[in-house]
Amino acid sequence: RKEVEQDPGPFNVPEGATVAFNCTYSNSASQSFFWYRQDCRKEPKLLMSVYSSGNEDGRFTAQLNRASQYISLLIRDSKLSDSATYLCVVTKESNYQLIWGAGTKLIIKP
Amino acid sequence: DTGVSQDPRHKITKRGQNVTFRCDPISEHNRLYWYRQTLGQGPEFLTYFQNEAQLEKSRLLSDRFSAERPKGSFSTLEIQRTEQGDSAMYLCASRSLAGVYNEQFFGPGTRLTVL
Repeated sequence: RKEVEQDPGPFNVPEGATVAFNCTYSNSASQSFFWYRQDCRKEPKLLMSVYSSGNEDGRFTAQLNRASQYISLLIRDSKLSDSATYLCVVTKESNYQLIWGAGTKLIIKP
Repeated sequence: DTGVSQDPRHKITKRGQNVTFRCDPISEHNRLYWYRQTLGQGPEFLTYFQNEAQLEKSRLLSDRFSAERPKGSFSTLEIQRTEQGDSAMYLCASRSLAGVYNEQFFGPGTRLTVL
């Protein structure tokens, strides 16, 4: 079983819609949680950190459920420019090494 | 540009050749990480340095791979006797130990194709 699992998609969503992704992780000792965005053939870029209390950044909301070991990302009022692969990331406790999911591909259609 | 830089951006080589990649982290970032990413997968950890010390190596890093960070600034990743399975994007990231939330900043990557 992979340490971080995501639905690979693709999610085909009309512009303006709301879309949500989930991610599950296996190591209950994981300390930090992130969502990264990766455009085709580019490097990953940090979208947002995920806090235990949940956090929001504009149209993006991230939530963490430690008991069930999953992380979610909600995108409201989706834009064409949101089309990308969204990678769920957790850190190992010992050295803050990033453990990555395989990513969920999102395609926003006009 | 004060971000992480990597060189070369693309490398095509024949099987059996040696290749070396360079990463220049954000200045004064203590930690430097190497990852490998294949199509449709997330990046996989290879190794990391704290200053000049290599603190951890993944089991993915076979004997053909070696990484250095001699002065605690730039790092090199060498692959000897390349194999077709080495074809991937090699990503470098750096982080300051003083940084919040463990954010790692990534370079643009070196895309390796082994023919």
